[in-house]
Amino acid sequence: GNSVTQMEGPVTLSEEAFLTINCTYTATGYPSLFWYVQYPGEGLQLLLKATKADDKGSNKGFEATYRKETTSFHLEKGSVQVSDSAVYFCALSSSGNNRKLIWGLGTSLAVNP
Amino acid sequence: DAGVIQSPRHEVTEMGQEVTLRCKPISGHNSLFWYRQTMMRGLELLIYFNNNVPIDDSGMPEDRFSAKMPNASFSTLKIQPSEPRDSAVYFCASTQAGSSSNQPQHFGDGTRLSIL
Repeated sequence: GNSVTQMEGPVTLSEEAFLTINCTYTATGYPSLFWYVQYPGEGLQLLLKATKADDKGSNKGFEATYRKETTSFHLEKGSVQVSDSAVYFCALSSSGNNRKLIWGLGTSLAVNP
Repeated sequence: DAGVIQSPRHEVTEMGQEVTLRCKPISGHNSLFWYRQTMMRGLELLIYFNNNVPIDDSGMPEDRFSAKMPNASFSTLKIQPSEPRDSAVYFCASTQAGSSSNQPQHFGDGTRLSIL
């Protein structure tokens, strides 16, 4: 079945450091891929998405490229800020009418000044 | 536009009491999801509806949990009787209809439930 594997956290970085959070997936068909972010005390919100191979999603300085050959969708940011401290979730949505998302377990990021 | 609205934001009640969580999805969305989030198990899908019809309730933990969606603008998740292990943050999310799978889910701010 479909699945998502995220790197385990917590990840702790200093401000302006480079961030990578790994995400790999297993899926049949042609899934769409998503990164969601959850700030403390809030619900999840969409950070970026990619709907087909080689697409790059980007938002707020974050990027992720849909790599079908390596079944990956790693999240990157060149220079993190304290305000990026949050939990990040990778997810996939299968093609067709099933609107369920398959979620990773989340990766907690703490950025220190 | 108003987002997904959940109520209450916090609920503290004693074991054995009935708990009702409420959700108003974004207008025009016709898929609605109930999730539970805990430190131990992460984010779990409990049930989801398409066009007010429950499609997959395989994530509902047991018969003490029930969910309804009487119309396109309202859903409830009920726990009766509640137990301490039900303590968690419960999220509602909605998304727009269509054959495409690339529509994101929009989440409410959650209900933080504590069962004493």
